[in-house]
Parts: sequence; C-alpha cells; structure tokens
Amino acid sequence: EVQLVETGGGLIQPGGSLRLSCAASGFTVSSDYMTWVRQAPGKGLEWVSGIYRGGSTYYADSVKGRFTVSRDNSKNTLFLQMNSLTAEDTAVYYCARLDSSGYYYFDYWGQGTLVTVSS
Amino acid sequence: QSALTQPRSVSGSPGQSVTISCTGISSDGSGYKYVSWYQEHPGKAPKVMIYDVSKRPSGVPDRFSGSKSGNTASLTISGLQAEDEADYYCCSNAGSYTFLFGGGTKLTVL
Repeated sequence: EVQLVETGGGLIQPGGSLRLSCAASGFTVSSDYMTWVRQAPGKGLEWVSGIYRGGSTYYADSVKGRFTVSRDNSKNTLFLQMNSLTAEDTAVYYCARLDSSGYYYFDYWGQGTLVTVSS
Repeated sequence: QSALTQPRSVSGSPGQSVTISCTGISSDGSGYKYVSWYQEHPGKAPKVMIYDVSKRPSGVPDRFSGSKSGNTASLTISGLQAEDEADYYCCSNAGSYTFLFGGGTKLTVL
C-alpha cells in the first residue's frame, strides 16, 4: 500500500529555515516524480516544487532561490529545505506522487504538515 | 506562471448537475492536454477526480466528467449527492514538470 507521511512542520520566525520530510512506503521515490504542494490557511492549493526520477528539480517562482527539493533514496524519503521564510509561506505542506504510469496527475498525497511563520 | 481562474462557489440541489469552469488553460503545449481535477474535503488530502481533461481514475463515479473548450476546462457533476460537497481544484501542466492550480471552487449541495 502506498503511503506518504510528512513531518517537520512547526512554528518558525520570519527569516528562519525549516526542513520538511516525506517518508514514502509502498513504492520507490526515486522511480517517480515527487512534488510538494502547499495550502495557506483558507486558501487554495499551490504547486511548490518537484523532483523527477532523474534528479531534475522544478520550482514555483514564489519559492525559487529559497526552497530546495531533494530526496534520500536509501531512506525512501523526500525533503523540502525552506530558507528565508516569510509569513506568506505559512501553509499546510503536502507531498504527493505523480501517477507512476506517466499520467500528469497526483495519485497519492500525504496528510500534510503545518508550517507557521510568525514572530 | 499565470493563474487558472475558477468561480469561488457553485451550488446545486441533490440530483441536479453543476459545472465548474477553469479558465486560463494553455492553448498549446502540454497544458492543453494535461488538465486534472481534485476534490478536497475539509481536513482531508486532495483526491483526483479527473485527469487528462476527461479521464476518470478507477473508483471515481461516472457522475464526474471533464471537458475542455478553448482555454477553459470544465468539471461537471451530475446527480449531485450530499457527499459531493467539497472544494474542487483544477490543475494544469505548465511546462515540463511544473504545475498550476486554480484558485478553487466551493461546491455547496443545497
């Protein structure tokens, strides 16, 4: 059974850094495209970042230069390193998998981890 | 990365049909083909309902259908049920492996 579990969220001061983790089971993160999607309180979904099986990375303009997506194949875990955080980064962060058959939709999602940027 | 525009809210009575639009879909490139729709209930992770504009994943009722005309994609839910009340988001591939979500539409079943 495919499962994604995010951890690492919490309260962080503006300008601070945080690293989110997404532990995967039931499949191999290095074999698929993995992504981070966030949802600010009361707002809609926003695609944040992704990493392709070959290692290529992709970012939304809003986080480019501040966030870094990576993975640890030995731990089957996806990461999101977030630097220079601002209040606008406050959101629930979900990790998700792009359909493994190659279709462009996210078939499995974690339950999310809340990041609150506030002084 | 331009935004995809959805109506903030739609509503319908049980048994009726509703359509949610998503405007701003690229008219060329992969965004034209790779439109998906997600259902989100409060406190739950999103669930895909439609992909590749009009395909339904296994397990999604055939009351849900998708279409596209020009730069607007649409999700139609027929035979509305109380459990369909949720937020709905369109998503388009925005080039390579980047993606764009719509602002979301709150569906109320009256």
